[in-house]
Amino acid sequence: NAGVTQTPKFQVLKTGQSMTLQCAQDMNHEYMSWYRQDPGMGLRLIHYSVGAGITDQGEVPNGYNVSRSTTEDFPLRLLSAAPSQTSVYFCASRPQGINGYTFGSGTRLTVV
Amino acid sequence: EDKVVQSPLSLVVHEGDTVTLNCSYEVTNFRSLLWYKQEKKAPTFLFMLTSSGIEKKSGRLSSILDKKELFSILNITATQTGDSAVYLCAVVHSGGSNYKLTFGKGTLLTVNP
Repeated sequence: NAGVTQTPKFQVLKTGQSMTLQCAQDMNHEYMSWYRQDPGMGLRLIHYSVGAGITDQGEVPNGYNVSRSTTEDFPLRLLSAAPSQTSVYFCASRPQGINGYTFGSGTRLTVV
Repeated sequence: EDKVVQSPLSLVVHEGDTVTLNCSYEVTNFRSLLWYKQEKKAPTFLFMLTSSGIEKKSGRLSSILDKKELFSILNITATQTGDSAVYLCAVVHSGGSNYKLTFGKGTLLTVNP
């Protein structure tokens, strides 16, 4: 099992550019989430999914889109990057009925 | 509004000291409380607590939950430099939102030799 795999690990974008952060898990987990982590702010939920075809917004969804066409993949799209989106992004997954999430290793995104 | 508050925000100790990290919460539909350790990269799971008064223990780390007073503590005895990390507390919401975690801001622990 590779666990939760995030790509890329680092990315620099210019303001206004778009990109997709990839997240894949090979544990057949139903629940997947995206968080951003900023200094002094802890981890904040962006979007989550309870299964293929089902997604919903978290605490800070503006500027981000997600889709869940398969159980394994949960990409996060930035439509028009802004400096305020500079952050470390974590993808996490868990199976149904288990509370503890498994986290990916993160993507450090800088928007200039 | 759901809230998880950790204290202190940062702590510096010497090797061998014992530390207590605090986590208080105000959430709707509490299900469980999780502790994570975060070093350079992804948070790694430490404990899950669902019942009051039952201590979870792993080596020098232990944790307990008080559902009446709405808090949890994480104790680390005989600290080592390898314990230096950010410790995150998160609360799992039950019912329609049981996939959701609300995190505290974390406690940065620095253990000096």
